[in-house]
Amino acid sequence: AQKVTQAQTEISVVEKEDVTLDCVYETRDTTYYLFWYKQPPSGELVFLIRRNSFDEQNEISGRYSWNFQKSTSSFNFTITASQVVDSAVYFCALSEAWRGANSKLTFGKGITLSVRP
Amino acid sequence: GAVVSQHPSRVICKSGTSVKIECRSLDFQATTMFWYRQFPKQSLMLMATSNEGSKATYEQGVEKDKFLINHASLTLSTLTVTSAHPEDSSFYICSARALAEGKTQYFGPGTRLLVL
Repeated sequence: AQKVTQAQTEISVVEKEDVTLDCVYETRDTTYYLFWYKQPPSGELVFLIRRNSFDEQNEISGRYSWNFQKSTSSFNFTITASQVVDSAVYFCALSEAWRGANSKLTFGKGITLSVRP
Repeated sequence: GAVVSQHPSRVICKSGTSVKIECRSLDFQATTMFWYRQFPKQSLMLMATSNEGSKATYEQGVEKDKFLINHASLTLSTLTVTSAHPEDSSFYICSARALAEGKTQYFGPGTRLLVL
């Protein structure tokens, strides 16, 4: 069975601080996908990134960066120079590849990030 | 691209009535759609997976006669909460996935259901 652990439940930072959201996963599959989603107070889940298990390159998109390390089964997300608009719940998720059309997302419990002005 | 809409965004109904929630993929064809339920300050709980033209696959513990799912076209899936009760009050979110997009699910804005 697959599992996603987001050990941090709530993080509070002051604007312009950097913050890292941790994600650790468990799976027996050799091929899988990892995701990060943002859920602002409005409720809609916004897709941020997908990474497949064969691509361990780190990715940077503006103030966002992701560090994927298979050796530690982690897929951490860093926000640089945080802003108030970054305040949201962030979910890490894992999807098996072998189930094809029926593959499902396993979500972590989410991390509530509050960025104070 | 990859926009998913849900309607209504908020609904209040009386106990015993049925409520239908629509989920539409606006700019892509969704071969698979998913319905989730989310309680306050909790993660998403998958209720069912639906593929266009076939019966939905429900997760363990989800009553299929209670939560009717129809995926009539590649852009529309509906969730009907039948004979709603106060305990059905929740935030319902759908997601859609196109085969061309690999495994990425794109989520709708959610529907807040309050059953009085």
